[in-house]
Amino acid sequence: TQLLEQSPQFLSIQEGENLTVYCNSSSVFSSLQWYRQEPGEGPVLLVTVVTGGEVKKLKRLTFQFGDARKDSSLHITAAQPGDTGLYLCAGVFSGGYNKLIFGAGTRLAVHP
Amino acid sequence: NAGVTQTPKFQVLKTGQSMTLQCAQDMNHNSMYWYRQDPGMGLRLIYYSASEGTTDKGEVPNGYNVSRLNKREFSLRLESAAPSQTSVYFCASSGFGQNTEAFFGQGTRLTVV
Repeated sequence: TQLLEQSPQFLSIQEGENLTVYCNSSSVFSSLQWYRQEPGEGPVLLVTVVTGGEVKKLKRLTFQFGDARKDSSLHITAAQPGDTGLYLCAGVFSGGYNKLIFGAGTRLAVHP
Repeated sequence: NAGVTQTPKFQVLKTGQSMTLQCAQDMNHNSMYWYRQDPGMGLRLIYYSASEGTTDKGEVPNGYNVSRLNKREFSLRLESAAPSQTSVYFCASSGFGQNTEAFFGQGTRLTVV
């Protein structure tokens, strides 16, 4: 079992639809990051949320950190084919070091 | 802009062979990581190093060893490769603090036959 549970694992939608991806854990994180990975490449950071309850927007993407800093969500409005990819959440553990643990990822396919 | 450089990009090993995956970063980062990525499993942390001279086990350390040679370099060694170690391996580095971004290498695709 993974420390960070991400759902859904796969998502296939039509262009223009909205979607939400969830990332849940029983652990408290100092921050939560969302990455996007393209085939054959390493993940690239989209956003970091630090404060419980924090909401960040990146164009059509909205990221939220749970009040207890154990969970997060990614909402995409009016998805486009260019949003297709693997989305990964990652929890950062504090305590004088940066230990970064990833969820299993959500593979999103947006069809024209 | 080199960032994080991993070598090799592809490798095929026979069961029982050993090899070392090399990783170097030029961003003066303190923390470095080794992950493996299997289909449907996301990225699983093998080992990490918070700073030069320190290493700690991650989620799946069995069968691997690491060396933080200096601040720039962090290597991953498979002493006796097994088919279960067939995977894509990623090295990453990050600075210190909650907001720090992790930068990844392009990955090493390892097949153990």
